[in-house]
Amino acid sequence: NAGVTQTPKFQVLKTGQSMTLQCAQDMNHNSMYWYRQDPGMGLRLIYYSASEGTTDKGEVPNGYNVSRLNKREFSLRLESAAPSQTSVYFCASSGPGGQPQHFGDGTRLSIL
Amino acid sequence: AQSVTQLDSQVPVFEEAPVELRCNYSSSVSVYLFWYVQYPNQGLQLLLKYLSGSTLVKGINGFEAEFNKSQTSFHLRKPSVHISDTAEYFCAVSRYTDKLIFGTGTRLQVFP
Repeated sequence: NAGVTQTPKFQVLKTGQSMTLQCAQDMNHNSMYWYRQDPGMGLRLIYYSASEGTTDKGEVPNGYNVSRLNKREFSLRLESAAPSQTSVYFCASSGPGGQPQHFGDGTRLSIL
Repeated sequence: AQSVTQLDSQVPVFEEAPVELRCNYSSSVSVYLFWYVQYPNQGLQLLLKYLSGSTLVKGINGFEAEFNKSQTSFHLRKPSVHISDTAEYFCAVSRYTDKLIFGTGTRLQVFP
């Protein structure tokens, strides 16, 4: 009963490098999300996908791209990493209207 | 647009004392309300949710919250806290969609 699985758990990048964060859920949820968590700022939505084949920008999309590969998987890509993208990234998924979101354990990303 | 305000960034309390974590939201329409807990180096777990019906909502680990529409509040309470309740707590709101707006979090520190 894995729920939401994120890989990797930790990563250190140099400025300008690219990277893809992976997320998969096994709950047959339509909706998936990517957040970043920074001290004192709560969680901010980067991108979300309401269903397979659709993606939409959230509050802080600049510098990121996403792919909803299929119903299970939703990846987040940093094309040219910047120190301001140092953060903890969380993936989540949910069922329809009002259902709670289920979160992965996060990816701790440091950009030097 | 909706927003969520968690009035206290940190709440220190002694073990077995009662605690209240405050949350206010702004929305001109009906919303869904959630409280999540985050233990160190983990993702977020759902504590409780309010979708409709009774304004007093009971969650896991002995927590409860009361929805107050006139004061646009959804405060979280526990009559007697334990050391293991030390964590960060997030209030969140959504309106008929799956997207959540999070507060900035309250760090509950329980002392022996």
